Amino acid sequence: ETGVTQTPRHLVMGMTNKKSLKCEQHLGHNAMYWYKQSAKKPLELMFVYNFKEQTENNSVPSRFSPECPNSSHLFLHLHTLQPEDSALYLCASSQVRQGADTEAFFGQGTRLTVV
Amino acid sequence: GQNIDQPTEMTATEGAIVQINCTYQTSGFNGLFWYQQHAGEAPTFLSYNVLDGLEEKGRFSSFLSRSKGYSYLLLKELQMKDSASYLCAVRDRGGYNKLIFGAGTRLAVHP
Repeated sequence: ETGVTQTPRHLVMGMTNKKSLKCEQHLGHNAMYWYKQSAKKPLELMFVYNFKEQTENNSVPSRFSPECPNSSHLFLHLHTLQPEDSALYLCASSQVRQGADTEAFFGQGTRLTVV
Repeated sequence: GQNIDQPTEMTATEGAIVQINCTYQTSGFNGLFWYQQHAGEAPTFLSYNVLDGLEEKGRFSSFLSRSKGYSYLLLKELQMKDSASYLCAVRDRGGYNKLIFGAGTRLAVHP
């Protein structure tokens, strides 16, 4: 496999459920990101990881919990979500280097519906 | 604050040229990206500008004026497959390649 892959592609969960989104990048990049894309709204950056260390948490509610066990894998653990959390969750990766960052490569996203 | 504006929707005819504008007001600037996103698919990189001027890549060109906080994406010889959303994004100066996105422009190409 190449690029950035996300699983599952679609997820329906109740407000009391716990689920996890998975992202894997095969590009050898050192940074990974979670973005949220709601209908007719801009992509919102949620979390940034660089060399497995979280460098950004964009005021995301604690019901979203990221995990980055190594530079190739990124998870987003979900619990007690609200219906307004229904959105497309996109994972991305890039190579961060002094003055020469690459563009971000995105996965196809997980379409999450909270019922 | 951070603000990136682009038109919500545009329509164009197959074979024509279309220009999608983007204006930005951000606290920092370290480059501007254009991405294409087909419905239900991943955003894919189209172009990048960090200096003023025009960057050309085949049928797609992108222009940047940093003093005006303005960019456009020019699509020539439109094809039906160009029907998609086009996302303008500014890279924050704070490092770690953080992107601030506009809401996207949905382009419909008609025969």
